[in-house]
Amino acid sequence: KNEVEQSPQNLTAQEGEFITINCSYSVGISALHWLQQHPGGGIVSLFMLSSGKKKHGRLIATINIQEKHSSLHITASHPRDSAVYICAVGGTDKLIFGTGTRLQVFP
Amino acid sequence: DTGVSQDPRHKITKRGQNVTFRCDPISEHNRLYWYRQTLGQGPEFLTYFQNEAQLEKSRLLSDRFSAERPKGSFSTLEIQRTEQGDSAMYLCASSLGRADTQYFGPGTRLTVL
Repeated sequence: KNEVEQSPQNLTAQEGEFITINCSYSVGISALHWLQQHPGGGIVSLFMLSSGKKKHGRLIATINIQEKHSSLHITASHPRDSAVYICAVGGTDKLIFGTGTRLQVFP
Repeated sequence: DTGVSQDPRHKITKRGQNVTFRCDPISEHNRLYWYRQTLGQGPEFLTYFQNEAQLEKSRLLSDRFSAERPKGSFSTLEIQRTEQGDSAMYLCASSLGRADTQYFGPGTRLTVL
């Protein structure tokens, strides 16, 4: 069993839909990261959180430390949100990554 | 631009050849990380530096792999006697310190023929 599990692996949506991507982990962490990777490889950090909830524009990330679970929500999804979303967990050093969720948003 | 840069962006080599990649982190970032990502998978940790000191190496990093950060600024990752299984995207990231956000470079895509 992987230390970081994401679901779903693939997700398609119509523009405007509310999107949820889930991440569960089995190791102790000091922070959880949500990353976005577009075709071509570039990775952008979306959120780093260790408790509660963070919001940035149409993106919301939540974490439940006791349940070792996090969710990334996208409100009013748009085709430009199409990308791979990766959950990663870490102590104070290296990150352990999930395999990613491939999101495609169609107009 | 003060983001993380990597060079080259793409490298095609024949099996058995040596390759070297370079990463320039965000200036003043003390930590520098190397990750490897194969198709359809999330990145995997290879090694990281705190300034010029290499603090941890993954078991994925065989004896054919070596990384340096000689002056605590840029870093190089060398792969000797490349194998087809080394084909992957090699990602570099940097952070200001421990537990800070890591900023990723665009990656170097290696293809070993």
